[in-house]
Amino acid sequence: DSGVTQTPKHLITATGQRVTLRCSPRSGDLSVYWYQQSLDQGLQFLIQYYNGEERAKGNILERFSAQQFPDLHSELNLSSLELGDSALYFCASQRGGTLASTDTQYFGPGTRLTVL
Amino acid sequence: AQSVTQLGSHVSVSEGALVLLRCNYSSSVPPYLFWYVQYPNQGLQLLLKYTSAATLVKGINGFEAEFKKSETSFHLTKPSAHMSDAAEYFCAVRELRETDSWGKFQFGAGTQVVVTP
Repeated sequence: DSGVTQTPKHLITATGQRVTLRCSPRSGDLSVYWYQQSLDQGLQFLIQYYNGEERAKGNILERFSAQQFPDLHSELNLSSLELGDSALYFCASQRGGTLASTDTQYFGPGTRLTVL
Repeated sequence: AQSVTQLGSHVSVSEGALVLLRCNYSSSVPPYLFWYVQYPNQGLQLLLKYTSAATLVKGINGFEAEFKKSETSFHLTKPSAHMSDAAEYFCAVRELRETDSWGKFQFGAGTQVVVTP
């Protein structure tokens, strides 16, 4: 158990819909990362938040957005869903988050999204 | 722009034999390099990382990797494979820029390791 929790574990929805994935970081961790893992595109870094602010942006689509709240949990919002958005979405937390940080990212168990 | 290439999507190794997973990167600035392992139905776990200190990096579970700038490589090795090493392994790069200490990750396609008795 990494200490990072993600809800829900599984999510099945239809094309065009909107969903919200939630991530609670380990106690004391200020950074939250979001990743997408699919068979087609492999593992993709989406976005990083640190203490409530966006810090690094990867291959995140405009239909996707994220935020980190004052209690440091984070939500990833996916809208206008397409079949190709079906994937495993991981979040990870880290105490720091800059490249100088020597601490480790800890990954959550993931949310499996299926778009029908 | 940064990129990562992992040579071999599948590697089969005998128990007790050397594990060698290849990773080459492309980066316009000094990179930070990582190896992660993913066991079935689990998230990723960091094995080791290179952050511009020692070029030979030792990680968990007996793995190590060597950063070779001239070859733009960061290959992962383990002297003796164990059945528990069966998993998928990902190499990743994160670029250090003077104006941005955060840097986004770029992952390789992954290498599935199968360990045979």
